[in-house]
Amino acid sequence: SQQGEEDPQALSIQEGENATMNCSYKTSINNLQWYRQNSGRGLVHLILIRSNEREKHSGRLRVTLDTSKKSSSLLITASRAADTASYFCATNSNFGNEKLTFGTGTRLTIIP
Amino acid sequence: EAGVTQFPSHSVIEKGQTVTLRCDPISGHDNLYWYRRVMGKEIKFLLHFVKESKQDESGMPNNRFLAERTGGTYSTLKVQPAELEDSGVYFCASSRWASGAQETQYFGPGTRLLVL
Repeated sequence: SQQGEEDPQALSIQEGENATMNCSYKTSINNLQWYRQNSGRGLVHLILIRSNEREKHSGRLRVTLDTSKKSSSLLITASRAADTASYFCATNSNFGNEKLTFGTGTRLTIIP
Repeated sequence: EAGVTQFPSHSVIEKGQTVTLRCDPISGHDNLYWYRRVMGKEIKFLLHFVKESKQDESGMPNNRFLAERTGGTYSTLKVQPAELEDSGVYFCASSRWASGAQETQYFGPGTRLLVL
């Protein structure tokens, strides 16, 4: 079955710096999504990028998608302490109501 | 609008006991999904309901797991008997029915299950 892998597994940066996380997947996709999980909380949807898109922005978030390399990156600019969380990519292989296949996650720590 | 809620938030049980997890999706969401994350590994899909029907249960690990969604509203996930390897965080998510489009899945806070 398809499995996403993310790197790095853990990342610590100073507040104000940019954080980049990468995700790779194995099969063709319809879209790729990024989620954030704060400690002890549920998953929060951040952004969705479709397979025919190459880049998408939302506030301080920038997502890129390279379907030829089956990879995506999430860039968080001007990081804040509140960005400390685990970040997961998730792929969807079909339209609409299909299940999500998640990556292993990156644990991001922002040092004040 | 209320989000997805899950109960209990934590559960500690002994091996061989039974535990039932509950998920209340967002009102009006026909899709309901169960996922779990075991021992810090990736989050894995368990099953998918469309209203009260099981659309995809390919991720259910074995017959010790039983999910129901009577009436197409809330769902329960029962583990009987629980084994040590069942420990982890169980997430529920819901979304609107989509026809040819991607609808966001909204996740609950999860139930942390520890089997001793």
